[in-house]
Amino acid sequence: GAVVSQHPSWVICKSGTSVKIECRSLDFQATTMFWYRQFPKQSLMLMATSNEGSKATYEQGVEKDKFLINHASLTLSTLTVTSAHPEDSSFYICSASPPGLAGPDTQYFGPGTRLTVL
Amino acid sequence: QQQVKQSPQSLIVQKGGISIINCAYENTAFDYFPWYQQFPGKGPALLIAIRPDVSEKKEGRFTISFNKSAKQFSLHIMDSQPGDSATYFCAATSGSRLTFGEGTQLTVNP
Repeated sequence: GAVVSQHPSWVICKSGTSVKIECRSLDFQATTMFWYRQFPKQSLMLMATSNEGSKATYEQGVEKDKFLINHASLTLSTLTVTSAHPEDSSFYICSASPPGLAGPDTQYFGPGTRLTVL
Repeated sequence: QQQVKQSPQSLIVQKGGISIINCAYENTAFDYFPWYQQFPGKGPALLIAIRPDVSEKKEGRFTISFNKSAKQFSLHIMDSQPGDSATYFCAATSGSRLTFGEGTQLTVNP
């Protein structure tokens, strides 16, 4: 149980284009989903927290107009990197919290999406 | 400002040995302390977690020791195996917000 998937697993795009990454909770409903970014050999940095049906809460320093987050249903959240540039190249990881399954403090992580911007 | 400090940055252990990773935190509002294991190119996976009202938790070969007064906690991996080679992150939560340590790259030599 508590499986989170991401699609695509990797994507290469040209500078200036937009890329959408999907995060799905497969066997539970997630009222809250989180998006992280991880640079090589570094820790995970929280980008934003999204709650189903409401606007995402972005961490300080994260451009909300560049990283658009939509949490349209209890099992799906999307992250769109708009007008991507090479410095946006990173490993993007989502997580989801299953209320009542293992406690509100538990986050289950997706497998990540490797974004490379040329 | 890094609120969870993790050490060492890298660790090499022989097969069968004990791997010990340490973390320290500052925010007394943290109320849940999970450890994650991450393999290259994969997302982190929850390994074991502890709440501050418990001083130790053991699951198989993995043990968390927690010292609330010192604001420190550690992960012990007993009988370390080559398959344990991965990056380990400690973390702490306040509400639903996870703060990660810097990570420890563990290598277990055969």
